[in-house]
Amino acid sequence: AQSVTQLGSHVSVSEGALVLLRCNYSSSVPPYLFWYVQYPNQGLQLLLKYTSAATLVKGINGFEAEFKKSETSFHLTKPSAHMSDAAEYFCAVRTFMDSNYQLIWGAGTKLIIKP
Amino acid sequence: EAQVTQNPRYLITVTGKKLTVTCSQNMNHEYMSWYRQDPGLGLRQIYYSMNVEATDKGDVPEGYKVSRKEKRNFPLILESPSPNQTSLYFCASSHYGTKTSLDYGYTFGSGTRLTVV
Repeated sequence: AQSVTQLGSHVSVSEGALVLLRCNYSSSVPPYLFWYVQYPNQGLQLLLKYTSAATLVKGINGFEAEFKKSETSFHLTKPSAHMSDAAEYFCAVRTFMDSNYQLIWGAGTKLIIKP
Repeated sequence: EAQVTQNPRYLITVTGKKLTVTCSQNMNHEYMSWYRQDPGLGLRQIYYSMNVEATDKGDVPEGYKVSRKEKRNFPLILESPSPNQTSLYFCASSHYGTKTSLDYGYTFGSGTRLTVV
């Protein structure tokens, strides 16, 4: 069965510093992977997705993620953090269950930006 | 504007008093789902629906009911709420759960923060 592990429930970085949010997955089939972002008091929105094309995926707001099959990882990065990046980030993997495709979610990582 | 609308945004209720959280989408999506979000536990699926009159249990269905009489609406019903159902609830929708449709991800509502005292 597929699963997702996000390392670190909270990550704190200074404004302008590199952001790195970790996501590892387990999957018996080639995975489709997603990162979602949840800003305070809002629902989740899709940040980027990996669907077996390019291993380096670019998303909105300057974020990108690299799929590494050998490490079963899909870490999210941004070169320079901005105060507006403060949010909770969720990694998800697509699974096939009950004859349909659905998403399995990580526990989330809250990104804190220090001025 | 394409969206998923949940109501209410905030609700405080007492143990045992039946309540309904509404969810409506205007994108003609076949698939709809309810999640609860709790600190450290991420998103856990309560129920989902593949289409009208087709609902199924997710990971944490106990204490909840749903119905899907129309394609656009997917209400979440708590017949007898208890304090352990205090949580943040999200409704989500997407086109039918095929490989291709899921590539576009889910559209989420803004959430309902429920407190049961």
